[in-house]
Amino acid sequence: EVQLVESGGGLIQPGGSLRLSCVATGFTSLDYATHWVRQTPGKALEWVGGIYGNDAKLDYADSVKGRFTISRGSAKNTLYLQMNSLRVEDTALYFCGRDVSPGGLDEWGPGTLVTVSA
Amino acid sequence: DVVLTQSPLSLPVTLGQPASISCRSSQSLGYSDGNTYLNWFQQRPGHSPRRLIYKVSDRDSGVPDRFSGSGSGTDFTLKISRVEAEDVGIYYCMDGGHWPYAFGQGTKVEIK
Repeated sequence: EVQLVESGGGLIQPGGSLRLSCVATGFTSLDYATHWVRQTPGKALEWVGGIYGNDAKLDYADSVKGRFTISRGSAKNTLYLQMNSLRVEDTALYFCGRDVSPGGLDEWGPGTLVTVSA
Repeated sequence: DVVLTQSPLSLPVTLGQPASISCRSSQSLGYSDGNTYLNWFQQRPGHSPRRLIYKVSDRDSGVPDRFSGSGSGTDFTLKISRVEAEDVGIYYCMDGGHWPYAFGQGTKVEIK
């Protein structure tokens, strides 16, 4: 069974850092791109960034560029999202998703909640 | 970057009646391989988004055939032929062909 599971969310003060994890099982993650997408409290979906399975392509939304970093763990089925210099507007439910790229996200995790507040 | 605009943003529907959601793009979504990777997602309350439609009109596995997608270029439509109670939720379109990926604002479907 294909599964993606995010973890690492929590309450953090503005300016702080947090690292999210996405563990993929049931498929070979190197055969797919993986993306981070966040959902704001108002329910808007926003693409955060993505990486090809072979790491040949990596990109970020302008809103997080220079603050967020996507990386892959030594166990290639784990993806990380390092979030630095967090802002109140980064408060969201963060999902990871699988993508054949080009194509779209055919599998999503349940999400992990990040709340940035003083 | 692509901008996707959905309408309406709120859609009250009567059970058993059809429903239609529009998604318009700021530029053509045609990809270099000749395909158009326009996706539709359903998000039920308390759940993650679930993809219903990919490549404009192809249904994902397990998606009821009352859901259909159509369109080309910059104009796309999701139709539900007969709305059922389980269809309540928010529907999003998404361009899966061009990074940065773009989502529509979402259309909230509720039962009258």
